[in-house]
Amino acid sequence: LAKTTQPISMDSYEGQEVNITCSHNNIATNDYITWYQQFPSQGPRFIIQGYKTKVTNEVASLFIPADRKSSTLSLPRVSLSDTAVYYCLVGDLNNNDMRFGAGTRLTVKP
Amino acid sequence: DTGVSQDPRHKITKRGQNVTFRCDPISEHNRLYWYRQTLGQGPEFLTYFQNEAQLEKSRLLSDRFSAERPKGSFSTLEIQRTEQGDSAMYLCASSAGTSGVEQFFGPGTRLTVL
Repeated sequence: LAKTTQPISMDSYEGQEVNITCSHNNIATNDYITWYQQFPSQGPRFIIQGYKTKVTNEVASLFIPADRKSSTLSLPRVSLSDTAVYYCLVGDLNNNDMRFGAGTRLTVKP
Repeated sequence: DTGVSQDPRHKITKRGQNVTFRCDPISEHNRLYWYRQTLGQGPEFLTYFQNEAQLEKSRLLSDRFSAERPKGSFSTLEIQRTEQGDSAMYLCASSAGTSGVEQFFGPGTRLTVL
């Protein structure tokens, strides 16, 4: 299983763009990269998923370089409500082998 | 509300007692997952079902734990002879299709073993 490494915590201010990088040096050919967000006392919520290059949806962008050994979740213009833990998962979708790590605790300050 | 629901939301029990949790997935989702989460950690995979078949069990799932999904709809997770180390949030998730593209999580059941 590809192991992921993320910063334990990050601080930001309202209105700023936040970039959270995840390292996954051992990513396999069939592995996808998925990000989840979790608020206290709630289950995780899917944010975005990608395989290569760039993926964008209504809440975030995911940048994946050509070697796929890392990925960056980009949150544009964060607000206080974006304060949460963000998890990077890597794995083969068909093998159900994606596992959560400890995540990155993002704190957005006013 | 058509999301994943879990019952109860909170459970306090004494060591040695048995507890059972229920998860109702999103209708027609054929995959159902159970996770355990302790404070400050990410969710740890316990087991998952494809319809009524239990396809994978983590080694975290000791003999005291059992999960069922009898008709491919709701699922139950039972913990026998609870221990203080079982105190955690138990999360259920479901997904559509045969791959875990996007898992939809329930609010969890918080278990406290005294």
